[in-house]
Amino acid sequence: QVQLVESGGGVVQPGRSLRLSCVASGFTFNSYGMNWVRQAPGKGLEWVATISYEGSNEYYADSVKGRFTISRDNSKNTLYLQMSSLRAEDTAVYYCAKGGVWFGDFSHLDSWGQGSLVTVSS
Amino acid sequence: DIQVTQSPSSLSASVGDIVSITCRASQGIADSLAWYQQKPGKAPKLLVHDTSRLASGVPSRFSGSGSGADFTLTISSLRPEDFATYYCQQYYSPPGSFGQGTKVEIK
Repeated sequence: QVQLVESGGGVVQPGRSLRLSCVASGFTFNSYGMNWVRQAPGKGLEWVATISYEGSNEYYADSVKGRFTISRDNSKNTLYLQMSSLRAEDTAVYYCAKGGVWFGDFSHLDSWGQGSLVTVSS
Repeated sequence: DIQVTQSPSSLSASVGDIVSITCRASQGIADSLAWYQQKPGKAPKLLVHDTSRLASGVPSRFSGSGSGADFTLTISSLRPEDFATYYCQQYYSPPGSFGQGTKVEIK
């Protein structure tokens, strides 16, 4: 079955950088778009970024554009989120999520990881 | 950007009740709408995609309907395990905006 395992979260000071990783298994990774979604403590879901199955298209929320970069290594079945210039308002659980369309990019999210907590605090 | 407005923000219901949650997009989004269920401390789970297509393994008491800009998730007979928070999401065009969520609580 599909498994998505995030790592790389932790406590980081404002203005610093952090990279999240998501290792995928149980499906053909290079055939599906992949996504990051976050959830601040006690708040709702916020879509962050999407990357197409082959990595040629990237889409970002306005709140992270220019600061975050989504990427993927299809040879390692791994999705990344490079976060820079972090702010207190970036504090959230970050979920990796698989797109639901074969050879698609922007689509519904049919499988989710367990999440990785990022806390931005001095 | 497409905005998505979900209502109500919370509701109280009893086991066996019929529950409906609505989602309105700021423009037409064809059938590009999904519904997710989230329980405390857990990742969201896909329930419905493409407005009305049930995800694998989702019980038939869940159903989705709508078109254009107005959509509804209906639970036909609420069960104890359905008490959770529900979110809609449009994926017609980026950014993939979510609704604000509806918390379904036990009456």
